[in-house]
Amino acid sequence: DAKTTQPPSMDCAEGRAANLPCNHSTISGNEYVYWYRQIHSQGPQYIIHGLKNNETNEMASLIITEDRKSSTLILPHATLRDTAVYYCIALTDSWGKLQFGAGTQVVVTP
Amino acid sequence: GAVVSQHPSWVICKSGTSVKIECRSLDFQATTMFWYRQFPKQSLMLMATSNEGSKATYEQGVEKDKFLINHASLTLSTLTVTSAHPEDSSFYICSASLVGGSYTFGSGTRLTVV
Repeated sequence: DAKTTQPPSMDCAEGRAANLPCNHSTISGNEYVYWYRQIHSQGPQYIIHGLKNNETNEMASLIITEDRKSSTLILPHATLRDTAVYYCIALTDSWGKLQFGAGTQVVVTP
Repeated sequence: GAVVSQHPSWVICKSGTSVKIECRSLDFQATTMFWYRQFPKQSLMLMATSNEGSKATYEQGVEKDKFLINHASLTLSTLTVTSAHPEDSSFYICSASLVGGSYTFGSGTRLTVV
């Protein structure tokens, strides 16, 4: 599965949109982009995933570039409860092994 | 949504003893489950993959005789840390893959070996 690169940390103001970038320049055509987050001392929480098209659900939006070499997770209105480590993962199929990188520590401030 | 219940949430044990961690899928059948551990300020590290009714597959560097995994039913997978030592103190998390392409995680078990 392709390696992903994320910034180690970012701050976001409460109520503003948080845009989390992820680089996956070696992603192959059948690899999905998954986003998870982990709030301190809890199990990871699924956010969203996509293959080529942009995706949106009640939690976030996922924007994937046309060449699929990068993507952005958008939290439309960040709240303090969105403070967490966010992981971007490229994975071939839904039965594969989810391997976590270092992720991005997002801190939402009042 | 699909829930994986993990118990205990924390445990303290003496060095040399064994500890069992359970993960149950509450409203779905988990054919495949994954076990992770996480040291402080580090990311999750995949330890092993377990499939119902067969032997677990361990990641490189994970001792299969130390971390015993049993996945005897479609709703229960267990991880037993045998002869635990202080260096085994960690946060252990289970996960199950879901139809539709996502994964659900347990709430984790904080193991402290004294």
